[in-house]
Amino acid sequence: ELKVEQNPLFLSMQEGKNYTIYCNYSTTSDRLYWYRQDPGKSLESLFVLLSNGAVKQEGRLMASLDTKARLSTLHITAAVHDLSATYFCAVDTYEKLTFGTGTRLTIIP
Amino acid sequence: GAVVSQHPSWVICKSGTSVKIECRSLDFQATTMFWYRQFPKQSLMLMATSNEGSKATYEQGVEKDKFLINHASLTLSTLTVTSAHPEDSSFYICSARDGGRSLREQYFGPGTRLTVT
Repeated sequence: ELKVEQNPLFLSMQEGKNYTIYCNYSTTSDRLYWYRQDPGKSLESLFVLLSNGAVKQEGRLMASLDTKARLSTLHITAAVHDLSATYFCAVDTYEKLTFGTGTRLTIIP
Repeated sequence: GAVVSQHPSWVICKSGTSVKIECRSLDFQATTMFWYRQFPKQSLMLMATSNEGSKATYEQGVEKDKFLINHASLTLSTLTVTSAHPEDSSFYICSARDGGRSLREQYFGPGTRLTVT
């Protein structure tokens, strides 16, 4: 059974600081997604990582994928309050997506 | 493009009754649709996968007789929660794959919050 683990589960950080969320998974996959979820809302797609070594950036967020290490990272640069949300990675194994445990990010002024 | 809608956005029902949730792809044909359940402060768990015109495939531990899924057209899938109980209260999210594209990306609906009293 595929396991997708994120850490940390909870992250409280000050505005302006940098931090990284890690997503480890237990089986071979060439495709990984990152999503954002605000309270009471559905998922917002952030990044699609399609191959080993893929790196994508949008604003203060940057995601990368290392398929050999089965690891993806979501890096936050100079955090701002608007980034407060829960972030999920999801591993695509053709038939379905398996979601990580989620990281609840709170940005403190 | 690639918009998925759900109806209703929230529903309250009494224990023992059934409730139907609709998931529609508005601007593409969805050959495959997925139903997820999310309990408060938890991750999304896949309940079932449905392909147009065929029976849904349920994940282990999901009661197929309780959660009836119908994918009767390329733009509509329905989830019916039969004989609902308070433990079925959850956030139900559907997603769909665009059958006209080669990508595997899923497009998510806005979710339906079910409360069973």
